[in-house]
Parts: sequence; structure tokens; C-alpha cells
Amino acid sequence: DTEVTQTPKHLVMGMTNKKSLKCEQHMGHRAMYWYKQKAKKPPELMFVYSYEKLSINESVPSRFSPECPNSSLLNLHLHALQPEDSALYLCASSHDPGYPTGELFFGEGSRLTVL
Amino acid sequence: AQKITQTQPGMFVQEKEAVTLDCTYDTSDPSYGLFWYKQPSSGEMIFLIYQGSYDQQNATEGRYSLNFQKARKSANLVISASQLGDSAMYFCAMRGRTGGFKTIFGAGTRLFVKA
Repeated sequence: DTEVTQTPKHLVMGMTNKKSLKCEQHMGHRAMYWYKQKAKKPPELMFVYSYEKLSINESVPSRFSPECPNSSLLNLHLHALQPEDSALYLCASSHDPGYPTGELFFGEGSRLTVL
Repeated sequence: AQKITQTQPGMFVQEKEAVTLDCTYDTSDPSYGLFWYKQPSSGEMIFLIYQGSYDQQNATEGRYSLNFQKARKSANLVISASQLGDSAMYFCAMRGRTGGFKTIFGAGTRLFVKA
């Protein structure tokens, strides 16, 4: 079983809806990440939280709004999305954001469909 | 700039045989980490193996080994005794100081294991 839990596993939403993706880890990791993955493509980094502070935003449109309420939780708030935002959204965590040795621990992903 | 290249979009291997998945990289960082991840059709990214740039020996994890040739900037994954469950997408990834310790992924190689 994965140690990074993502909910919901599947989400269908209209372009005017507001929804949230949730991610939780209890491994004591201090870095958490959101990735977007389109079919047959590698994951693309969206956001990085380091010690609960947003440290990297890869020029993501403002219709995606991340939140890190505490060291174990990471949310991605979705509003006014476009059909091209349909993708698999992966949450990941790592021990320490500042060293090259840290592998990422991924959740199972939330598969988002925007109608 | 950092770059990961996987030139094999798809590979076939007979069950119980070994297979090598190619990965080359480019970086100016003196210290970096190289990773391989497996992504089954279910979507979860699974960490397989890690190689540090200063490690003298090739990394091994069970049936996985990493053939690290630093001068050639290659980090090929070798899977021994392939199993049907090894059929998946495999991503080579790198993490280093350039780019703020972000993990970047190659395009991936789809592995098909034949019975």
C-alpha cells in the first residue's frame, strides 16, 4: 500500500465547478509536490512545498491553487478549469527538498476529467 | 540546463529474460541523483532504484540494477529475470542543484513482457 494517500481517485467536474484534490502523508517528509501527467507523457511539476511553504510554482495558471495546511496535508483547489486540464494529478513527498538523494514517494493519483 | 533522454518508446522482452532500458542525462551539477520509477497502468509511480553521482558502485535493488557510466552520462536500468508484472512504463529521472532540486523525468519507455 502506498504511504501517500490521494483523494478522490476519480473526479469529473464542469468548467464552472470548484473542487479540491487532497493528499496526505505520515512519513514525516518535509517536501510535498503536485505533478500533472497527461496520457503517455512524463509527470510535469506544478508546485513544491518545502517545510509547509510554497517554494516552487512552475507558472501554473491561477485556476489551480495549492494549499499546505500542515506538514502532512497538501490540497489542490480547482476552479474554472478547462477541458485541457483533464489529466492524472499526482501528489508526492520526499524527506528533504534540498538534497539530490531524495526519491519521491507518489500517491496513486487523482484522475480528473473536465467537461 | 538539466535534461534526461530516453530513446526507446517501447521495448519487448520474453519472460525470464533480462532487459536494459536506456537513459542518458545532461547536467553541469557536480552532485546529482539519478532515479528510476515504474508506472503500471493503475497510475501510481513506484520508486525502483537510486544512484548518486559520487557513488563508486552501481546500485542494485533485487532484480533491478543501474548501469552507471558517469563519463558517458548514462544510467541504464537492467531488469533481470523479467516477470509479467514488470509490464509498465519506466521513467528515468534526475535531481540536482540546478533547477532548485526539482526532479525532472525522461519521456519514458513502455516495457512489454511476453509470456
